[in-house]
Amino acid sequence: QQPVQSPQAVILREGEDAVINCSSSKALYSVHWYRQKHGEAPVFLMILLKGGEQKGHEKISASFNEKKQQSSLYLTASQLSYSGTYFCGTEGYGGSQGNLIFGKGTKLSVKP
Amino acid sequence: NAGVTQTPKFQVLKTGQSMTLQCAQDMNHEYMSWYRQDPGMGLRLIHYSVGAGITDQGEVPNGYNVSRSTTEDFPLRLLSAAPSQTSVYFCASTRTEGISPLHFGNGTRLTVT
Repeated sequence: QQPVQSPQAVILREGEDAVINCSSSKALYSVHWYRQKHGEAPVFLMILLKGGEQKGHEKISASFNEKKQQSSLYLTASQLSYSGTYFCGTEGYGGSQGNLIFGKGTKLSVKP
Repeated sequence: NAGVTQTPKFQVLKTGQSMTLQCAQDMNHEYMSWYRQDPGMGLRLIHYSVGAGITDQGEVPNGYNVSRSTTEDFPLRLLSAAPSQTSVYFCASTRTEGISPLHFGNGTRLTVT
């Protein structure tokens, strides 16, 4: 079952912050985040494991609340290069990091 | 280091034709999977494999066949193409041990007329 991402789209000015959420109806072991530019393959950002650990990647960080089966991606002081579509991929218990179930994506546009 | 290589990059088929999308990886990854991407639908899992000789169905397996005779290769077969299979197809691989991200190929854009 696909996780639900929100918002579907967001437009920012350079330097603004954004939060992208990912919610699942089933218990999760891990959440993966990817970014995809138009016409390109998805690119890995980070993996969140159960335990609520917060990981960071440059000015992008994320959290994972395993009790609520939710993950949030935080983009701080956004840059033009952050534009793209962000996907969360979820791994349930008994699943594998090789067969992630992805959300429908959040399109982020950063304007000058 | 090539990573995950998909061929062809573009393909146009007529309804009813068959074809095979090729995927090869040189990272000795045990796990390989196929996703299709349609506008507004995200990435949906078609089939996956945990190793040579072992395959399983994902979310949207109908109309597709796979096999895994070697660790490196994981071809996706369309037996009788339908317009609903018009999509961008991504192959991905990862390790089974430890924490490892999916490594995606560059995709195959398929149009069925």
